Amino acid sequence: GESVGLHLPTLSVQEGDNSIINCAYSNSASDYFIWYKQESGKGPQFIIDIRSNMDKRQGQRVTVLLNKTVKHLSLQIAATQPGDSAVYFCAEMLGYQKVTFGIGTKLQVIP
Amino acid sequence: DGGITQSPKYLFRKEGQNVTLSCEQNLNHDAMYWYRQDPGQGLRLIYYSQIVNDFQKGDIAEGYSVSREKKESFPLTVTSAQKNPTAFYLCASSISGQQETQYFGPGTRLLVL
Repeated sequence: GESVGLHLPTLSVQEGDNSIINCAYSNSASDYFIWYKQESGKGPQFIIDIRSNMDKRQGQRVTVLLNKTVKHLSLQIAATQPGDSAVYFCAEMLGYQKVTFGIGTKLQVIP
Repeated sequence: DGGITQSPKYLFRKEGQNVTLSCEQNLNHDAMYWYRQDPGQGLRLIYYSQIVNDFQKGDIAEGYSVSREKKESFPLTVTSAQKNPTAFYLCASSISGQQETQYFGPGTRLLVL
């Protein structure tokens, strides 16, 4: 929703630059991870996922990196566009049963 | 056009009043979920249903109730027992057993008068 982004860390990026959004997850046993994009006043949309047996996965203009050693996930967006402005949050799953959602980062793209 | 819809977009609740949020999906999904989203917090699961006529409490079910009489519909009632109902409520659905692939609705913002 609109107020969800008020208390979030914010990343401001110039249009055309690459964005890197980070997420620290909590459970070292989590075996599946998802990145979501949530635009103001809308529901979250799936962006990309990665399984714990991988350390990198690429999509269209997005790449997810997984570092299990430090329980860290990152989302890289290439050539950031104004339409990328949104809240991005990660989610972790254990045994594909329980989803735990992160707080999120607000991405602001400066034209 | 397949998807998941929620109504209304905004809902106002008076003190002591029960209100019901609608969630409908035409994706033929067996599983449906209700989440609550608050500023600075991750989504929290209120209730979920894996199949018609069956549902389970999530992490924050107190003050809420649900029903699942039809596969397409999973309404959420916010009762007067929920003392802090102001939030953004999200409904989602998935193929049963594929909780990792949830499709979310556009959300309902509940405000207290």
